[in-house]
Amino acid sequence: QSALTQPASVSGSPGQSITISCTGTSSDIGSYNYVSWYQQRPGKAPKLMIYNVSDRPSGVSDRFSGSKSGNTASLTISGLQAEDEADYYCNSYTSSSTYVFGTGTKVTVL
Amino acid sequence: EVELIESGGGLVKPGGSLRLSCAVSGFTFSEARMSWVRQAPGKGLEWIGRIKTKSEGGTTDCGTPVKGRFTISRDDSRNTLYLQMNSLKTEDTAVYYCTTSFSVAYRGYWGQGTLVTVSS
Repeated sequence: QSALTQPASVSGSPGQSITISCTGTSSDIGSYNYVSWYQQRPGKAPKLMIYNVSDRPSGVSDRFSGSKSGNTASLTISGLQAEDEADYYCNSYTSSSTYVFGTGTKVTVL
Repeated sequence: EVELIESGGGLVKPGGSLRLSCAVSGFTFSEARMSWVRQAPGKGLEWIGRIKTKSEGGTTDCGTPVKGRFTISRDDSRNTLYLQMNSLKTEDTAVYYCTTSFSVAYRGYWGQGTLVTVSS
């Protein structure tokens, strides 16, 4: 199972909106609504930000939203803040009854 | 307060074995599907595998890189998750995390990670 494809980096100014894409195949993202997104700051454990494509765990800011179209999922961060600077990973369930992570995206707040 | 505490990491030679533990408190462990995720130094996250609850049959699924070498188990009486790692390779060097992120119940919790270094 190959890793899902994410852009290596995305940047934006404070207050702007950015979108991170996550491209898979018909064997993972395209077939299941089990896409999740994780934020990871340096030296820290990942934090779940979105699950089931677009659901937010309690405590996660509503500035974070998720969506999916075909084999591609997206994470949008609106009203970008300095604290959003981190690495972001997508994840999907697969037809092999396993999960696969994306390659990761570094978000920089300019 | 929910806590997931991994232990058992360390330095091991190629071909060796190691068993990691993840001690859980703060929620009903037996109701949660548990997973292991690892991260090699400077690299991205890699899903290793998960174990379902006993009521679901306690079955496990593992990713291709570790299938046949790693085994996931759980002891609900001890609220502990295990990862038995055999035939270790240098590419297994990573921080290993336990997580409930792929569970419907108690979703989203992560441990702090434990470092495994495979080197001669």
